[in-house]
Amino acid sequence: AQSVTQLGSHVSVSEGALVLLRCNYSSSVPPYLFWYVQYPNQGLQLLLKYTSAATLVKGINGFEAEFKKSETSFHLTKPSAHMSDAAEYFCAVRNQGGKLIFGQGTELSVKP
Amino acid sequence: DTGVSQDPRHKITKRGQNVTFRCDPISEHNRLYWYRQTLGQGPEFLTYFQNEAQLEKSRLLSDRFSAERPKGSFSTLEIQRTEQGDSAMYLCASSSNTGTHNEKLFFGSGTQLSVL
Repeated sequence: AQSVTQLGSHVSVSEGALVLLRCNYSSSVPPYLFWYVQYPNQGLQLLLKYTSAATLVKGINGFEAEFKKSETSFHLTKPSAHMSDAAEYFCAVRNQGGKLIFGQGTELSVKP
Repeated sequence: DTGVSQDPRHKITKRGQNVTFRCDPISEHNRLYWYRQTLGQGPEFLTYFQNEAQLEKSRLLSDRFSAERPKGSFSTLEIQRTEQGDSAMYLCASSSNTGTHNEKLFFGSGTQLSVL
């Protein structure tokens, strides 16, 4: 069965600093992987997805993620954090039935 | 395209009461999902529909929970005899291009249920 694990339930960075949110996956087949963002009182919004076309995936709002099969990782990064990036971030994997299986989430705080 | 809408946004109920939530997916999206999210956790899959057919139900969905999508458009999720453990955010999502790597889920803002 597919699953994802997000390391760190809370990450705090200073404005302008690098953002790194960690996600490791478990899958017996080539995975489809996703990062979603959830702002307070809003639904989840897709940031980016990996579907085996390219290992480095660029998403919205300057985020990107790199698929590393050898490390079973799909970490999310952004070179320079903005205050508006403060939100909850979820990594997810699509299982063979087509459902999304989410990680527990990482809350990102951005300090001025 | 008005997005996925859910109603109500918030629901407070007493233990033992029945509640019903509604989800209106994006027009012509054939797949509709229900997820539940508790504080500090990621969304957990409950059930999904392909058009009007309910194709899968999670073991999380006890017999007090029932979901319908009678005409393949909007869906309702009913919880009977609510318990305090049912308190959560209930999220709905819809998608098209199902079964392909282009499938993209669009989520609603959710219904926050509080059972007192």
